[in-house]
Amino acid sequence: GEQVEQRPPHLSVREGDSAFIICTYTDSATAYFYWYKQEPGAGLQLLMSVFSNVDRKEEQGLTVLLNKKDKRLSLNLTAAHPGDSAVYFCAVSADTEGADRLTFGKGTQLIIQP
Amino acid sequence: GGIITQTPKFLIGQEGQKLTLKCQQNFNHDTMYWYRQDSGKGLRLIYYSITENDLQKGDLSEGYDASREKKSSFSLTVTSAQKNEMAVFLCASSIRGGYAEQFFGPGTRLTVL
Repeated sequence: GEQVEQRPPHLSVREGDSAFIICTYTDSATAYFYWYKQEPGAGLQLLMSVFSNVDRKEEQGLTVLLNKKDKRLSLNLTAAHPGDSAVYFCAVSADTEGADRLTFGKGTQLIIQP
Repeated sequence: GGIITQTPKFLIGQEGQKLTLKCQQNFNHDTMYWYRQDSGKGLRLIYYSITENDLQKGDLSEGYDASREKKSSFSLTVTSAQKNEMAVFLCASSIRGGYAEQFFGPGTRLTVL
C-alpha cells in the first residue's frame, strides 16, 4: 500500500523566517494531496489541498510544491509567526469512489521562536 | 458552518473492556471517518462510512467495530481494550466523493490501565 515519509519530525525556526516540510510518497496513482495543521488538543485543520495536475499553489504565506516525477510534496511557510506553532501533517489519497482514503505522514512539530 | 462533536473527550478503561466512542456532525455530510492517532505515527484510518448504512474497513480495523446509526452520527467500539494502550481517536466527515475536505473533531483520548 501507499507509504508516506515526512521530514523533519521536529523543526524550530525564528519568527519571520521560513519553515520547509517535505513528504515523499510511493504510489504513482496518488491523485490528491493535502496539508493539515493540528494545534494542541484540537483536530486537524486543512491548510491547502492540491490535485495531481497542479505543480505549485500559493495561499496566504503558504506554498505547496508537487513534484510527481520524484513523488515529492512540500510545504513552505514564509514569515512564520508564533501562531504557526503546531504539528503539520501531509496526507495523500488515490482516486477512491465515494471517499478519500487518506494516508498521512507522521507529522512535523513546528516551533516558532520569538 | 458546522461542527463535529466527539464524546467523551477523555476515556479511561480497563484491559479487556469494551469501549464506545461517539461522533456527531451537523454539516449534513454523507461520509464519515474514524482515525487513530498515536504519538509519532500520524493518523491511521480505522473505519469509514460513505453514506448512512454503509461501513468500510480501513487499514487498522482489527480490534474495532463501527456503526453508522444515522447520517449525522458514527460510533466506534474498541472490542477489547489493550493494557497500556494510549491513543487519540479522531472523527472526520466530508461530502461524498474524492478530493473532498475532511473536517475533524477534537478527538477522544483513550487510556487503558
